[in-house]
Amino acid sequence: QLQLQESGPGLAKPSETLSLTCTVSGGSIGTSDYYWSWIRQPPGKDLEWIGSMYYSGNTYHNPSLKSRVTISLDTSKNQFSLRLTSVTAADTAVYYCARGGNHVGFDPWGQGTLVTVSS
Amino acid sequence: DIQMTQSPSSVSASVGDRVTITCRPSQDISSWLAWYQQKPGKAPKLLIYTANTLQSGVPPRFSGSGSGTDFTLTISSLQPEDSAVYYCQKVDRFPITFGQGTRLEIK
Repeated sequence: QLQLQESGPGLAKPSETLSLTCTVSGGSIGTSDYYWSWIRQPPGKDLEWIGSMYYSGNTYHNPSLKSRVTISLDTSKNQFSLRLTSVTAADTAVYYCARGGNHVGFDPWGQGTLVTVSS
Repeated sequence: DIQMTQSPSSVSASVGDRVTITCRPSQDISSWLAWYQQKPGKAPKLLIYTANTLQSGVPPRFSGSGSGTDFTLTISSLQPEDSAVYYCQKVDRFPITFGQGTRLEIK
């Protein structure tokens, strides 16, 4: 059974870079059948897709965040990562990692990790 | 980008009721729509994909229908554990967008 787990600092300072890692167990990220994604949810608000990456290297980002987002895969560790630069308080959110399938949505999801942006 | 509009934003219903939630994309997305259920403090759970295919393990009281620009999630007989926020998501192509959510409360 595939499981995903987010990890990383729970606090980031304004203007700095937020870095999170998603560790995948029970299956390999080195497959072309799926893509690996980050989604976030500000407290009390709705879901926002951040970006997704295929094993092939093809990457897609939310246009509203594109210039600040980097997603990468590390197949040797079966992990994928998110970097979000120049963070502000508006980036405070629960960050989820998830596996995506073509035309079928996200499943499974990690449990989520809260990142607060504050000085 | 395609916008996803859900209605209602919130609904209150009794156990045993039939509940319907609507999702309307701003452009035709064929049948490429997914529905999620999110309970407080939990990650969203995939319920339905390709508009009407039930994800494994999801109770059959959940069903989806629609195509193009008009989709529906129906809960045929509401149970107490169905209290949650429900989101639709376009899955036709990137960029991915979600609806704004429908909060379902049990009376």
